[in-house]
Amino acid sequence: KNQVEQSPQSLIILEGKNCTLQCNYTVSPFSNLRWYKQDTGRGPVSLTIMTFSENTKSNGRYTATLDADTKQSSLHITASQLSDSASYICVVSANYGNNRLAFGKGNQVVVIP
Amino acid sequence: DSGVTQTPKHLITATGQRVTLRCSPRSGDLSVYWYQQSLDQGLQFLIQYYNGEERAKGNILERFSAQQFPDLHSELNLSSLELGDSALYFCASSVGGQSNSPLHFGNGTRLTVT
Repeated sequence: KNQVEQSPQSLIILEGKNCTLQCNYTVSPFSNLRWYKQDTGRGPVSLTIMTFSENTKSNGRYTATLDADTKQSSLHITASQLSDSASYICVVSANYGNNRLAFGKGNQVVVIP
Repeated sequence: DSGVTQTPKHLITATGQRVTLRCSPRSGDLSVYWYQQSLDQGLQFLIQYYNGEERAKGNILERFSAQQFPDLHSELNLSSLELGDSALYFCASSVGGQSNSPLHFGNGTRLTVT
């Protein structure tokens, strides 16, 4: 079973609307959680990194939240733009083991005019 | 621009062949990571090098190997290629070798095996 589960797998939203992406994880002990944006055919680009003590972090129109108690994170996109069409990947880092980063499969977002 | 350079961008080859993918990390970064991303799949960690030494190994096949050179660039060698090896291969770099170091990804090499 994947240690990082993202939902919904894909969604279509109208330009200008908001949306929220979910990430649930089982990685323990927890070190940090990252959200990446990956445009089609490109490498992932970091949006936010949150440690255990951080509940929320913003990067422009992107706001990530973290509840380390329930092991859940969300990424909220405000006033979506066509350029927000991408895959959003949740990555959780543990404090042990050789393969310390656990990747979700991504939320595929399509913004339509 | 992440500062991580991967070459070539595209590679088409036949089954049974061998290819080499190259990665130049961001200036100052000592760690290099290799990932495989198949169609509709998440990123799969293959291997990590830190300052020339292998640091961690993930789901890397025995037909695959990698190394990091003294100038910190890295190469991923894929041999006896199979159709299922067709994927995007990403390189990422970070300053440190620990999991709390931010990763910077290249734009990948798209490998097509025919």
